[in-house]
Parts: sequence; structure tokens; C-alpha cells
Amino acid sequence: DGGITQSPKYLFRKEGQNVTLSCEQNLNHDAMYWYRQDPGQGLRLIYYSQIVNDFQKGDIAEGYSVSREKKESFPLTVTSAQKNPTAFYLCASSMSFGGENTEAFFGQGTRLTVV
Amino acid sequence: GQQVMQIPQYQHVQEGEDFTTYCNSSTTLSNIQWYKQRPGGHPVFLIQLVKSGEVKKQKRLTFQFGEAKKNSSLHITATQTTDVGTYFCAHSGANDYKLSFGAGTTVTVRA
Repeated sequence: DGGITQSPKYLFRKEGQNVTLSCEQNLNHDAMYWYRQDPGQGLRLIYYSQIVNDFQKGDIAEGYSVSREKKESFPLTVTSAQKNPTAFYLCASSMSFGGENTEAFFGQGTRLTVV
Repeated sequence: GQQVMQIPQYQHVQEGEDFTTYCNSSTTLSNIQWYKQRPGGHPVFLIQLVKSGEVKKQKRLTFQFGEAKKNSSLHITATQTTDVGTYFCAHSGANDYKLSFGAGTTVTVRA
């Protein structure tokens, strides 16, 4: 099946620990994204990548890091510097930008709880 | 970067009634996309509008892109319980992949 896979679905970590969230896609999409969603709030862009070995900060990049070593993979690390890491994290991918075929496909999300 | 404002934040609708949610920008947008997120789920793409004044329909849903390409609306007729969820508008840049979302309109339906 084609799509985006995020793992794990639920993740618990102790405060002060770094944690890495996995995102893999087999859609051959160029662009990948990480969003954060808090209860009752919209999607806030953390990082996005347009091509392998390149990525840009979104609107709330502080306390997060990413890598894009392969087209299929875009892992997100939530560092201990992120003050409020507990949230629902969504990964997405899209084929192009600006005109046609810019729709984003989302993974099932990872619900991170830091205690 | 460009920001889009969605109103209302919450919409409580009687089953069978119509409602409209709006997405507004202070600057011209290259496109508008609409997504639906069911409770506990992930956003799912509904439609994309790219042309000034464009109108598209999907069964009971009507999407419109303003003439100035600064606003968009989603109108749902004869609301059903299956319409429950949060509706987001989003836009990507004309020259880059950045995809930004509005805060969403959360819809609840009274049977």
C-alpha cells in the first residue's frame, strides 16, 4: 500500500530526554512536513523539506531538529529544549507546489506525552 | 509568512441546516486547499482551488475562491452527523513547498 507511516502511534518520555519520531513515505513525494497539533488548535508547521539533504524551519522550529538523508524518510527529534513537547505530531508529504498536485497526504500521527 | 484566518472557530449546527466557514488572507494566495479532520483522526484532503472566482462542488459541499484570491469559503448544505470534524484551509507558496494551515473550524452537529 502507498502512503505515509508514522511510528509509534503513542509515545511516552520522561522530561529532559530527547525523542525521535519516525515518518516514512513510499509515494515518491519530494516534499515532507512536520506539524504539531495541540488540543482544539490548528496545525503549526515545525519543519519542512523540499528535497533530500535540505530542509527549512517552519513557524515553531525551536526545540526540534530534523534530517532528510533519504527521500522516503523525514524523522523529527523533539529535544529537551522544547518547553512543551506534549502534543499530537503529524507528518505529511506532497508532490509539488504552487499549482496542481500540491495536496498533502498525512500519516496517522504520533501522540507524544512527556511526564 | 502569509497567514490565513478561519472563522468561526466553532460551529454548532442543527442536523439538516446549512452552514458556511470562511478563510481569509490579507495577501493574494496562489491556491487554497481544504482538509477535514475527523475527531481522533488525521487531516484528509478535500479539494484545491487555484483560479480566481473558482467554484467547485462535492455533493453537499461547495468550495469557492474569491475573485481577489484572498479569501475562500466552504458551504455545507443539509448538514449530517457525518460532517462532524474540523475543517482546515491551507495554502502553499507559489514558489516553494511551504504548506501553512489555518486554525480550523470545528463543527458539531445536533441530531
